[in-house]
Parts: sequence; structure tokens; C-alpha cells
Amino acid sequence: DQQVKQNSPSLSVQEGRISILNCDYTNSMFDYFLWYKKYPAEGPTFLISISSIKDKNEDGRFTVFLNKSAKHLSLHIVPSQPGDSAVYFCAALFRGQGNLIFGKGTKLSVKP
Amino acid sequence: DAGITQSPRHKVTETGTPVTLRCHQTENHRYMYWYRQDPGHGLRLIHYSYGVKDTDKGEVSDGYSVSRSKTEDFLLTLESATSSQTSVYFCAISLQGQNQPQHFGDGTRLSIL
Repeated sequence: DQQVKQNSPSLSVQEGRISILNCDYTNSMFDYFLWYKKYPAEGPTFLISISSIKDKNEDGRFTVFLNKSAKHLSLHIVPSQPGDSAVYFCAALFRGQGNLIFGKGTKLSVKP
Repeated sequence: DAGITQSPRHKVTETGTPVTLRCHQTENHRYMYWYRQDPGHGLRLIHYSYGVKDTDKGEVSDGYSVSRSKTEDFLLTLESATSSQTSVYFCAISLQGQNQPQHFGDGTRLSIL
């Protein structure tokens, strides 16, 4: 049973517009959530994270929102740029453990 | 740059042969991890280490073993490779401890024929 779900395999957005990537989780024991970006033939790159005690974290063009009651988090990219085109993975950590649980990823395409 | 080097970057081998992948870090960090990435599965944890000679199993550990005799090196071994172990393997390190972002190497693409 998948504990971290990214239900949209792909997303296409126009340059300059907002990209919203979604992630749902099932286990309330997760207390730390992360987003990674991955380009082909490279390893995942850490993008932004959020603790379960917060509902928002912002870093430049990237904002992550956490809705604990809905067990849902989202990554907003504003404005989207062609260089943002990549696969984005949502990941979660259990309390007291370091093992990341990943979603299957969403491929974002930002068109000029 | 988290100073992670994976070797080899690509390998093709035959079913039944032993294979060892190496992850080397230059930052002296305590926590190291091995993941595999397969289409439709995201990344899944194979094994991890929280110090020299201290390792534990992850979600998909069957058919794999690991060793960490030095802080900087974490080895992943397939004792007898099978075609189902064809995958891209990523090593990661945790810079500050368990509940911190992990940083990944560029991966090893392993094909088992």
C-alpha cells in the first residue's frame, strides 16, 4: 500500500504561470515532508521541506503548503520557468527515523 | 555539492554474477543510504547505514547486502544478480542527521541480462 501518493504523472504549464504539484499521504506518523527535483541522468536534488508543525514554507519561487487534516501537501512554483521542467518527487519521513518514503513523481513540463 | 561519488556510473552484467556498487563521500557524514529507482515506483530504500559497521534493511532489501567499513564508503552488493535487479541505483547521505534532507549522488545504471 502506497503511503505517499502523487496522483498526477504529468503536468504541463505555460512559462510565467503557476505550477501546482500535489501529494497525498496516508500515515499520520510522518512529521517531515520534502520535495525533490530530478533531471534525467542526474540524482534527485533537494528543493524544499516542511515540518508537520508548520503549514507553509517559502523559498524564493517555491512554496510548500501542508494540510495535516487532509493529509495533503502541495508545491507551488511561481513564476514557472522552462528550467523547472523535471520530475518532482514528494517524500516523507517517519518520526525518529531517517528513511524517506517517496511518491512516484510528477513530470512537470514548462512550455515557453 | 554534497561530495558524493558513485561508481561505476553504468554497468552491464549477466544473471548470476556478483556485482558491487560503491558510494564514496568526502564530507564525513554519519548517515548513508542506498535506493533504487524503477518506472512506476519512485525511489525505494534498499539499505541504510548510521555509522561504521552499523547498517539496517530498508523496504526492498531482499537480494542485497551492504557494508560500511569506513565512514566515507558504503558498498552495495548483489550476491547473484537477477534481471529484476536491473534498475538505477542512488546513494544518498544525510548531512546533519536522520531527520534532515538527504542529498543524492548521480546514480548507477545497472543492467542485468
